[in-house]
Amino acid sequence: DGGITQSPKYLFRKEGQNVTLSCEQNLNHDAMYWYRQDPGQGLRLIYYSQIVNDFQKGDIAEGYSVSREKKESFPLTVTSAQKNPTAFYLCASRRRGRGGSPGANVLTFGAGSRLTVL
Amino acid sequence: DAKTTQPNSMESNEEEPVHLPCNHSTISGTDYIHWYRQLPSQGPEYVIHGLTSNVNNRMASLAIAEDRKSSTLILHRATLRDAAVYYCILRQEATGANNLFFGTGTRLTVIP
Repeated sequence: DGGITQSPKYLFRKEGQNVTLSCEQNLNHDAMYWYRQDPGQGLRLIYYSQIVNDFQKGDIAEGYSVSREKKESFPLTVTSAQKNPTAFYLCASRRRGRGGSPGANVLTFGAGSRLTVL
Repeated sequence: DAKTTQPNSMESNEEEPVHLPCNHSTISGTDYIHWYRQLPSQGPEYVIHGLTSNVNNRMASLAIAEDRKSSTLILHRATLRDAAVYYCILRQEATGANNLFFGTGTRLTVIP
């Protein structure tokens, strides 16, 4: 079955360490996204990528970095510059198309990665 | 970005219909209305979307007001598995905006 795989599901990190969260999709989707969710809050966009080798900052990109070397993969690195990295991180992908066509512009999410900084 | 307003929480008895409201008074003519839901400790999943006409699928129905300033997600028979946070968001088709704004949504509690 096609879908999005995020790993690891749970991750613990010491302060000052960088950590990379993996996101892989086999849906042949063009666009990919990283969101952050804090307890009781909505989702905030960190970075997004519409095509390979291109990505844009979202609303809260500071302290994060991404790469998009392959269509299937969009890893997120949480750097030591991120002041409060403990959160639930969600990766999503979207097939580009006009809004009215079935399945177009619908986001498919992974199961998430929960990062805790000790 | 056009935003939406939803109640923070709602309750429903099991096997009864649920009507989840959403206000989007600043919606533009080309904005699609999308609904997602998020079960505990999982990523959101797509439920339904529409532009002007009411929509039905296997999960739910979407009723859109004639002036498009509000919409209602209808779960015809709530089950315990429908307990989740439901997000109503707008997708800006005209600008091709990639950022779908997920607010805090409505937390639905289903009572057995």
